[in-house]
Amino acid sequence: ETGVTQSPTHLIKTRGQQVTLRCSSQSGHNTVSWYQQALGQGPQFIFQYYREEENGRGNFPPRFSGLQFPNYSSELNVNALELDDSALYLCASSLLVGSYNEQFFGPGTRLTVL
Amino acid sequence: RKEVEQDPGPFNVPEGATVAFNCTYSNSASQSFFWYRQDCRKEPKLLMSVYSSGNEDGRFTAQLNRASQYISLLIRDSKLSDSATYLCVVNANTGNQFYFGTGTSLTVIP
Repeated sequence: ETGVTQSPTHLIKTRGQQVTLRCSSQSGHNTVSWYQQALGQGPQFIFQYYREEENGRGNFPPRFSGLQFPNYSSELNVNALELDDSALYLCASSLLVGSYNEQFFGPGTRLTVL
Repeated sequence: RKEVEQDPGPFNVPEGATVAFNCTYSNSASQSFFWYRQDCRKEPKLLMSVYSSGNEDGRFTAQLNRASQYISLLIRDSKLSDSATYLCVVNANTGNQFYFGTGTSLTVIP
C-alpha cells in the first residue's frame, strides 16, 4: 500500500452544507495534491500544497479551499455544497524534487450531496 | 481541446493476447508522463513512469513520442488480473499539475 490515508471514507451531505476532508501523506513526502473524480471520468486536479503553501490550482471555484500542516497532512474544504460536488475525492502524496514527482494516491473519500 | 485524450474503450481481449493503448497530449511543454491503473471503485495506482527512451517492466512496455505528442502502453500475455481502467497522465508544469485522461477500460476474458 501507498501509506496515504484519507478520512472519512464515505460522507453524505445536503446542498449548501460545508465539508472537510482529510489526508495524511506518505512518510518523507512534502507535497499533497487533491483531485475530484466524477463517475466515468478521470481525476480532475483541484490544487496542490507544497510545504504548507498552495502550489498550483486547477479550474475549481474559491469555495474549494485547502490547508497543509507542518507534518504535511492536508485538508480539503468545500463550502456551499452543490449536487455536482458528488464525487470521489482523492489526495495524492509525492516528494517534489525539481520538476519531477510521482504521485501516490490514498483510497479516497466518496462524497454524496443530496 | 482536452489536455489528455484517450480512447475510452472498452477493450475486451482473451487471456494471453497483446493489447495496446494510446494517449495524446496537447501541451508540447509537458515534462513527465505516467500510466496509472484503477480498479473499480478504488484509487489509481502508479503502473509505470514513461521515459523518453521507452521503458519496460515485465509484460508492460511504455513508449513516448514527443514529436507526435503521444504515449503508449503495451501489455503482453494479458492476464485476468490485468482487467482494470488504465489512465494516461501528463505533468505539464514544473511538478504541480497532473492531467489525467478519462481512462481506457480493459477486460481480459478467460
